[in-house]
Amino acid sequence: QQPVQSPQAVILREGEDAVINCSSSKALYSVHWYRQKHGEAPVFLMILLKGGEQKGHDKISASFNEKKQQSSLYLTASQLSYSGTYFCGTERAAGNKLTFGGGTRVLVKP
Amino acid sequence: GAVVSQHPSRVICKSGTSVKIECRSLDFQATTMFWYRQFPKKSLMLMATSNEGSKATYEQGVEKDKFLINHASLTLSTLTVTSAHPEDSSFYICSARDMAMNTEAFFGQGTRLTVV
Repeated sequence: QQPVQSPQAVILREGEDAVINCSSSKALYSVHWYRQKHGEAPVFLMILLKGGEQKGHDKISASFNEKKQQSSLYLTASQLSYSGTYFCGTERAAGNKLTFGGGTRVLVKP
Repeated sequence: GAVVSQHPSRVICKSGTSVKIECRSLDFQATTMFWYRQFPKKSLMLMATSNEGSKATYEQGVEKDKFLINHASLTLSTLTVTSAHPEDSSFYICSARDMAMNTEAFFGQGTRLTVV
């Protein structure tokens, strides 16, 4: 079952923050986050495993709330290069397939 | 990070012909490869899971006789779109993953297929 992402789109000014959420109705083993630029393949950002961990990469970080089966991706002090479509991919068991959410289109303006 | 190479990046073919897309993992052994289809401004829709040396597992609604998948080695999987029609036009992306290590999925560059 496809995870639900929100919001569907967000427009930011450079330097502003944003949060993207990814929710599942089923218990998850892991959540993967990817960013895709137009016409290109998705690029891996980070993976979070069950256990409620948090991770960070530069000014992009994420958390995974196992009780809520929800992951959030935090874009802090956004840069123009952050523009793109962000997808979460969820895995219900170790070694299982990834199911992707509908995506969140992010546009960072100068 | 690991590199997955997908070829060709763009292909235009006539209706009724077949097109083969290759996906290679260049620096790791991909026990499992996945084939996705993506429509404009839409999500990645999983078509099938390809395991080396065995038959692919297709998602519900995907015609296995139309989308032939072969995973003959740990570094190569191919998707053949048979008897292509204009509605098969889409962006096809493969990804490779070392399931034993439970790492992230690495994506190929994608193939833009246009059937005329």
